[in-house]
Amino acid sequence: AQSVSQHNHHVILSEAASLELGCNYSYGGTVNLFWYVQYPGQHLQLLLKYFSGDPLVKGIKGFEAEFIKSKFSFNLRKPSVQWSDTAEYFCAVTAGNYGGATNKLIFGTGTLLAVQP
Amino acid sequence: DAGVTQSPTHLIKTRGQQVTLRCSPKSGHDTVSWYQQALGQGPQFIFQYYEEEERQRGNFPDRFSGHQFPNYSSELNVNALLLGDSALYLCASSFMGLAVYNEQFFGPGTRLTVL
Repeated sequence: AQSVSQHNHHVILSEAASLELGCNYSYGGTVNLFWYVQYPGQHLQLLLKYFSGDPLVKGIKGFEAEFIKSKFSFNLRKPSVQWSDTAEYFCAVTAGNYGGATNKLIFGTGTLLAVQP
Repeated sequence: DAGVTQSPTHLIKTRGQQVTLRCSPKSGHDTVSWYQQALGQGPQFIFQYYEEEERQRGNFPDRFSGHQFPNYSSELNVNALLLGDSALYLCASSFMGLAVYNEQFFGPGTRLTVL
């Protein structure tokens, strides 16, 4: 069965610090990878996604993630965080057996990021 | 353009009761997926509806059932409620097109509390 692990449950950073959130998945086949963000009081929204091609993907608000197939990882990074990045971040995976179209998302448990001004 | 809407926002029920949650997809979307998010956990896939049929199902008991209407809106029904059913229920809509992936847009959720 597919699963996603996020090892950092709660991260506290000061503004301008660099961010890296870990995400590992377990699935042997073709996967599509995602990072979702939930700002306080708002809906879950897509931050970035990887399907194929360049393993370094860029998303909104200066976030990027690198897919390392050999490590089954898809870590999220941002060189300099802002107070407005305070949110909960979820890594998710879908298996590619439905052609990727609207396949079910398997989420990690999430990482709460608090950025102190 | 309205996004995904869900009703009600909050709901309190007692054990053994039945509940119905509703979801209206984003305009232009034809597929609805439901997720359960327990406190401190990530969302867990319940099932997905397309063309008024359940297309995929996660590891949830038969007490969880759903329906999709011709206008693509959807309902999630939970029978014989248990304390453990207390959670945020999220609806996500998407378009079942031919692209490699069609983004799922999430609604604000319905917070269900079972006493």
